[in-house]
Amino acid sequence: DTEVTQTPKHLVMGMTNKKSLKCEQHMGHRAMYWYKQKAKKPPELMFVYSYEKLSINESVPSRFSPECPNSSLLNLHLHALQPEDSALYLCASSQGQGAYQPQHFGDGTRLSIL
Amino acid sequence: GDSVTQMEGPVTLSEEAFLTINCTYTATGYPSLFWYVQYPGEGLQLLLKATKADDKGSNKGFEATYRKETTSFHLEKGSVQVSDSAVYFCALVNNNAGNMLTFGGGTRLMVKP
Repeated sequence: DTEVTQTPKHLVMGMTNKKSLKCEQHMGHRAMYWYKQKAKKPPELMFVYSYEKLSINESVPSRFSPECPNSSLLNLHLHALQPEDSALYLCASSQGQGAYQPQHFGDGTRLSIL
Repeated sequence: GDSVTQMEGPVTLSEEAFLTINCTYTATGYPSLFWYVQYPGEGLQLLLKATKADDKGSNKGFEATYRKETTSFHLEKGSVQVSDSAVYFCALVNNNAGNMLTFGGGTRLMVKP
């Protein structure tokens, strides 16, 4: 069983909808990540939070808005998405941002944009 | 910049066959190396890791050795099972660049009974 929990598992939304993806971990990790994964491709980093502060934004369009309400939770708010945003969205966490600290992934939210 | 190259798949094997998935990397300094596995419909799971040259990571019968001289981290398993069917990603973290994973393209393994 994964120790990083993502909800919902599946989400279908129209281009004008507003929805949120949620991620939760209770391992005491202080770094959390959002990735986007298209079919048959490796994950692409979107955002990194370290100690609840946004530390990296990989030039992600503003229709994706991350939020870290506390050290255990990470949200990704979605608004006015495009069909090409359909993908698997993965959350990960690690003890910190040191290179020796592996990232632990959730099972992802599969997002479909109509 | 850093990069990871994996053999393209799919790799199709019969049950109990020997598995090798090649992985080579380009990075400055001394990166940490990882293999992640993604089963159908799931996220990525850390399979094994190695943090310095000549380290051997192992887990669930899988092994990989950090070879600095050949900049490689090939994944091996002596006898694969149908349940090993998945996509395998080789990845590195450059010690000079925080905890940012650089992934290879992934290799799909299909094991037939």
